[in-house]
Amino acid sequence: RKEVEQDPGPFNVPEGATVAFNCTYSNSASQSFFWYRQDCRKEPKLLMSVYSSGNEDGRFTAQLNRASQYISLLIRDSKLSDSATYLCVVNIRDMGRRALTFGSGTRLQVQP
Amino acid sequence: DTAVSQTPKYLVTQMGNDKSIKCEQNLGHDTMYWYKQDSKKFLKIMFSYNNKELIINETVPNRFSPKSPDKAHLNLHINSLELGDSAVYFCASSQVLRNIGEETQYFGPGTRLLVL
Repeated sequence: RKEVEQDPGPFNVPEGATVAFNCTYSNSASQSFFWYRQDCRKEPKLLMSVYSSGNEDGRFTAQLNRASQYISLLIRDSKLSDSATYLCVVNIRDMGRRALTFGSGTRLQVQP
Repeated sequence: DTAVSQTPKYLVTQMGNDKSIKCEQNLGHDTMYWYKQDSKKFLKIMFSYNNKELIINETVPNRFSPKSPDKAHLNLHINSLELGDSAVYFCASSQVLRNIGEETQYFGPGTRLLVL
């Protein structure tokens, strides 16, 4: 079982749509959680951290359910520029080791 | 004014050759990483250095050897290149925010390695 699992997509949605991505993680030692965005042939960039209470940044809302080991990202009012791959990322701190573990990403294509 | 830079951006080479990829960060971060992203776009950590000390060494063939001359640089040397080494290699750096124990990793632009 992969440590971080995501639906690979692609999700093809029209502009203005609301789209949700889900992610599950297997290691209960995971301590912090993130969504990164990766554009085609570019490096991953932090989109937002994910907090237990849920957090919002403009059109983006992230939720974390530690009991179910589940993370979500909601994008409202999709823009063409939102087309990218969204990577679910957990930070596992185990025996003093810190490392980001990435999901394989969910591809989003927003269409005009 | 790039925060994390890598050279070269593209590397095409023959099987069996030895090559190096360089990484530099000007963010003053303590920790640097090498990741490999394969053809299926799966990003996997290879190594991590904190203040020039190796702290993570995942299951990577010993043909791969990282070297950190100082905390702003982490280079990756690959011996006897194989076809399966073809991938995009990303360098990253981070700094733990001690008050909340959180860190953001900043990635370099990647080095696209193709082994023929």
